[in-house]
Amino acid sequence: QKEVEQNSGPLSVPEGAIASLNCTYSDRGSQSFFWYRQYSGKSPELIMFIYSNGDKEDGRFTAQLNKASQYVSLLIRDSQPSDSATYLCAVNSPGTYKYIFGTGTRLKVLA
Amino acid sequence: GAVVSQHPSWVICKSGTSVKIECRSLDFQATTMFWYRQFPKQSLMLMATSNEGSKATYEQGVEKDKFLINHASLTLSTLTVTSAHPEDSSFYICSARTGLAYNEQFFGPGTRLTVL
Repeated sequence: QKEVEQNSGPLSVPEGAIASLNCTYSDRGSQSFFWYRQYSGKSPELIMFIYSNGDKEDGRFTAQLNKASQYVSLLIRDSQPSDSATYLCAVNSPGTYKYIFGTGTRLKVLA
Repeated sequence: GAVVSQHPSWVICKSGTSVKIECRSLDFQATTMFWYRQFPKQSLMLMATSNEGSKATYEQGVEKDKFLINHASLTLSTLTVTSAHPEDSSFYICSARTGLAYNEQFFGPGTRLTVL
């Protein structure tokens, strides 16, 4: 069973701090990795994707990928209460267009 | 860009009736759309992959005769929940693949189905 694992949380951080969200995946053939944010009762929205080892930055968000360790993370700098949501890690299923989703990490940013 | 809509946003129906949910890509053509179901406090579970002009591919454990999917055009896919029962109550979300290099999927706003 190919899996994507995330700590369910909640992860609580104070406003202005860096939130670090982690994800591990089991299929070494996966090539594309996605982070989505989902507010309660809403559908997921794409934050960013990464496909090469290393860091990718977009505003306050940085995705980090380490294929050797099968690990992808998302850093949120200067966390705001509006960042409080569930963050879903998605990994492509090799040879298909399908995603495998993790169970999500619930982030709480405390004002 | 990459906007996906769903209709209706919520629906309440009686047990035994059928419900149709539409998913549209508004500003791009989507050769592939996906249908997910999400129960409270759980992650998204892929139900099926919908390809324009061909039969949908269902995930293991999903009843294809109960969840009918039609992808008649490059911008529209429909999911019909037939003979709905209370256990089918869930949040149904579609996504569309843009066809760009990294296969990003963009999600519709979801449809909350309640079966009484």
